[in-house]
Amino acid sequence: SAVISQKPSRDICQRGTSLTIQCQVDSQVTMMFWYRQQPGQSLTLIATANQGSEATYESGFVIDKFPISRPNLTFSTLTVSNMSPEDSSIYLCSVTVSSYEQYFGPGTRLTVT
Amino acid sequence: GEDVEQSLFLSVREGDSSVINCTYTDSSSTYLYWYKQEPGAGLQLLTYIFSNMDMKQDQRLTVLLNKKDKHLSLRIADTQTGDSAIYFCAEGVRDDKIIFGKGTRLHILP
Repeated sequence: SAVISQKPSRDICQRGTSLTIQCQVDSQVTMMFWYRQQPGQSLTLIATANQGSEATYESGFVIDKFPISRPNLTFSTLTVSNMSPEDSSIYLCSVTVSSYEQYFGPGTRLTVT
Repeated sequence: GEDVEQSLFLSVREGDSSVINCTYTDSSSTYLYWYKQEPGAGLQLLTYIFSNMDMKQDQRLTVLLNKKDKHLSLRIADTQTGDSAIYFCAEGVRDDKIIFGKGTRLHILP
């Protein structure tokens, strides 16, 4: 398994500002993922972040809105830019430890006012 | 496209068995998963099953897979109050991506 931490655990932000969420893993992993869970909804994959390459975004998500960094094999950041109330969600990072076990961080609960 | 469907709510009496059902669409899925999310917490990987298996048992949890019908179920024996949570069915698709269902909220009745 993997132990994943995220910072901050929650935040309340004003419309138009940006927030950077950090994800730290206790072991080196190749693939990291960022998900969004809107209130009462399921998880939606935002992007896949591999070290040493640009993140791959899913349909409906763009780099200008959700820039991602992956500077090494244990760390990644997701920035939510120019926030609006519709961005209020839980943002989760995850990692694959083997080819089939994917573990999630505790999530960052974002409220945009 | 890829889609995972599951019922949204299930109420079960404490001590009874809970059965949560799920259907998926991608026949090439290699792994299918059950995740648990307790209030205010992240997702916990409960169990998974490889697509060439019919059944997997792990203590109180039994996973049944009908690949022909693309149907997955999770049975929780002797349901306890601590089992109250949202259970997400998910299928592993290409490139390690996972597609999640909307989650089944399990409510335990005393």
